[in-house]
Formats: sequence, structure tokens, C-alpha cells
Amino acid sequence: EAQVTQNPRYLITVTGKKLTVTCSQNMNHEYMSWYRQDPGLGLRQIYYSMNVEVTDKGDVPEGYKVSRKEKRNFPLILESPSPNQTSLYFCASSPTGRRGETQYFGPGTRLLVL
Amino acid sequence: GQQVMQIPQYQHVQEGEDFTTYCNSSTTLSNIQWYKQRPGGHPVFLIQLVKSGEVKKQKRLTFQFGEAKKNSSLHITATQTTDVGTYFCAGRDSNYQLIWGAGTKLIIKP
Repeated sequence: EAQVTQNPRYLITVTGKKLTVTCSQNMNHEYMSWYRQDPGLGLRQIYYSMNVEVTDKGDVPEGYKVSRKEKRNFPLILESPSPNQTSLYFCASSPTGRRGETQYFGPGTRLLVL
Repeated sequence: GQQVMQIPQYQHVQEGEDFTTYCNSSTTLSNIQWYKQRPGGHPVFLIQLVKSGEVKKQKRLTFQFGEAKKNSSLHITATQTTDVGTYFCAGRDSNYQLIWGAGTKLIIKP
């Protein structure tokens, strides 16, 4: 089944403790992206990647890192999480990221930073 | 920067009433996509509009793209409980980036 998977689905952590949220897609998509969703703000893009070893900042990259060493995986890293990073995070992918393409979303990761 | 404003933020309707959400962009869009997110779920693609003035229908849902390609709307006729969720528009700018609206939450009154 074609899908985007994320792990973990729920995470509670404390300020400053490094964490990684994994994202994997099995559709051979070149484009992958991370969003955070907060009430009243919709989806805001954190980072995106057009292909392996190519990553770019989105609208709200501060406090986050990503890597794209393999086509299928696009982990999101919070080196030193802070409470304002408490949010719902979505990973998404599409074939090339160009116009006219649908984005496929993972199930989401709900993060609480205490 | 470029923005897509989406209104209203919430809409409460009785089952059977109509629902409409609107998106307005500060700049011309190359296309616009609509997504639905059920409570507790993830955004799921509904449709894409590309042409100026385009209108597309999916059963009770009607999507429109404005003549200037700066605004769009989604209208649901005779809402049902299965329509509950948040509807997002996402416009694609000239750099192929998706700019998301904040979403409109459809709430069906019991």
C-alpha cells in the first residue's frame, strides 16, 4: 500500500532533550516536506527536500533540522526542543514537487514539550 | 510575503444546510488545491483547479477558481455529518511552493 509513515505518533518530552521524528514514503517520491499545524494557523512548512541531499528552509525552520540521505526517508530533528515547538507535525511527499501534484500526508505526530 | 487568507475560521451549520469557505491570495496563483482533514486525521487531497474561472463539482461539493486566479471557494450543498472536518485551500505560487490557507472548520450542530 502506498503510504507515508511517521514515528512516533505521540511524543511527550522535556525542554532541551534532543528528539527525532522519522518519516518514510514507499512511493519513490522525490519531494518530501515537513509541516507543523497549530490552531488558527493552518499548516506551516518547516523544511522541504526536492531530492536526495537537497533540502531547503520553509516558512518556519528555526529550531529544526532535517536530512535527506535516502530518497524514502526524511527525518525531522529537534536538537533542543522548547515548549513553543509543541504542535502537530505532518510529513508529506509528492512525485517531484512541481505544479499540479497532489501531496500525500503521513498520519501526523503530536508532540508535547514540557 | 505571499499569503492566502481563508475565511471563515469556523462555520456551524445544521445538517442539511449549505457551507461555503473562501480563499483569497495577495498574488496570482498558478493553481489551487483543496484538502479535507477529518478530526484527528491528516489532510487528504480533494481537487485541483488550474484554469481561470474553472468550476469543478464532486457530488455535493462545488469548487471555483476566480477569473484573476487570486481567489477560490468551496461550497457544500446540504451538509451531512460525514462532511465534518477542516477544509484547507493551498495555492501554488510561481516558484511552485504551496501556500496554505488557515483552514475552515465545519461543525454540524446536533
